[in-house]
Amino acid sequence: NAGVTQTPKFRILKIGQSMTLQCTQDMNHNYMYWYRQDPGMGLKLIYYSVGAGITDKGEVPNGYNVSRSTTEDFPLRLELAAPSQTSVYFCASSHRDSTYEQYFGPGTRLTVT
Amino acid sequence: GEDVEQSLFLSVREGDSSVINCTYTDSSSTYLYWYKQEPGAGLQLLTYIFSNMDMKQDQRLTVLLNKKDKHLSLRIADTQTGDSAIYFCAESHDRGSTLGRLYFGRGTQLTVWP
Repeated sequence: NAGVTQTPKFRILKIGQSMTLQCTQDMNHNYMYWYRQDPGMGLKLIYYSVGAGITDKGEVPNGYNVSRSTTEDFPLRLELAAPSQTSVYFCASSHRDSTYEQYFGPGTRLTVT
Repeated sequence: GEDVEQSLFLSVREGDSSVINCTYTDSSSTYLYWYKQEPGAGLQLLTYIFSNMDMKQDQRLTVLLNKKDKHLSLRIADTQTGDSAIYFCAESHDRGSTLGRLYFGRGTQLTVWP
């Protein structure tokens, strides 16, 4: 199993541009999550999904959108990039029966200038 | 709200024990976790403890939970240079819409000197 994969690894965006961060897991996990990690801080939950077609907001959802059309994929969309969205983004997944075990991807480092 | 606090830095000599401390505020926390993050990498789950336990041991790792004081610690025995990383404390609780959501501290940077 590859686990949780994320693309791209790095990206630089100009203010106002849009992009989609990709996340895929091959563990047949129901739950998927997007976190952001700002320098020197812990992770904050952006959005999460408990299954295909179901998504919900986390602590810091403003400026982002998500969709979950399949069990495997959970893309995160930034519509109008702002410097405040400069961060490292982590995707994670867990099984419905063991939500306490979250598996993380390697992260996407995004800079908005 | 859910607040998780950790000290930011810890330095130890190789072979010594390391103790990383964490406090949390939510008394309804169900699980408490320790994650390790190496430079440029994602988070790796090291260990977790259920809130009805007070200790868990896993090889060189010992987790102690004082539920009364809402205090969690991670002890690493015989610390090695490969243990140098950021260690995150996190908590979650199984209630309704917050099922599975993790709340993280800011992380403790552990530096191990040879």
